[in-house]
Amino acid sequence: EAQVTQNPRYLITVTGKKLTVTCSQNMNHEYMSWYRQDPGLGLRQIYYSMNVEVTDKGDVPEGYKVSRKEKRNFPLILESPSPNQTSLYFCASSLSLTYVLAKNIQYFGAGTRLSVL
Amino acid sequence: GQQLNQSPQSMFIQEGEDVSMNCTSSSIFNTWLWYKQDPGEGPVLLIALYKAGELTSNGRLTAQFGITRKDSFLNISASIPSDVGIYFCAGQKNAGNMLTFGGGTRLMVKP
Repeated sequence: EAQVTQNPRYLITVTGKKLTVTCSQNMNHEYMSWYRQDPGLGLRQIYYSMNVEVTDKGDVPEGYKVSRKEKRNFPLILESPSPNQTSLYFCASSLSLTYVLAKNIQYFGAGTRLSVL
Repeated sequence: GQQLNQSPQSMFIQEGEDVSMNCTSSSIFNTWLWYKQDPGEGPVLLIALYKAGELTSNGRLTAQFGITRKDSFLNISASIPSDVGIYFCAGQKNAGNMLTFGGGTRLMVKP
């Protein structure tokens, strides 16, 4: 079954304590992305990766890091979380971003709800 | 980054009613997408639109790509309780560009 798997689903932490949210896809997709979802703001892209070892900033990258050492994994790292990073996070993947076809849909994970106290 | 303006922000309707929501932008997008997010889940693609003026249906859902390329509409006919969720529009300027999402429309359906 095609899946994007995020862990953990829920996380409560304190300011300044480093954390990592993992994301894994089993579809051999080249393109992976992280979004945060906040009420009324929709989904805003944090970082994306076009392929292994290729990452770039999205709209709201401040306070986040990512890595893409393997095609299937794209972890999101918060080195020093702050309360304004309390949000719902989604990882997504798609075959590619270089062309748009009916089959090239973006699959989303189930989300990680993060609270930073 | 630019956001799409999606309205309404929320709707509370009676089962069986039709629903309309729309997305507008000040700039042109060449692809429009509509997603639905069920409670506790990630967004799932409903309809993709690739040509200005295109009208596409998926069951009770119909979406249109505005001829100006600056807007899109989603209609749901004869709503049912499982239509509950958040609907997002997304636009892509060109192949190779990131998606830009609207703020979402939260739909609630009263049985």
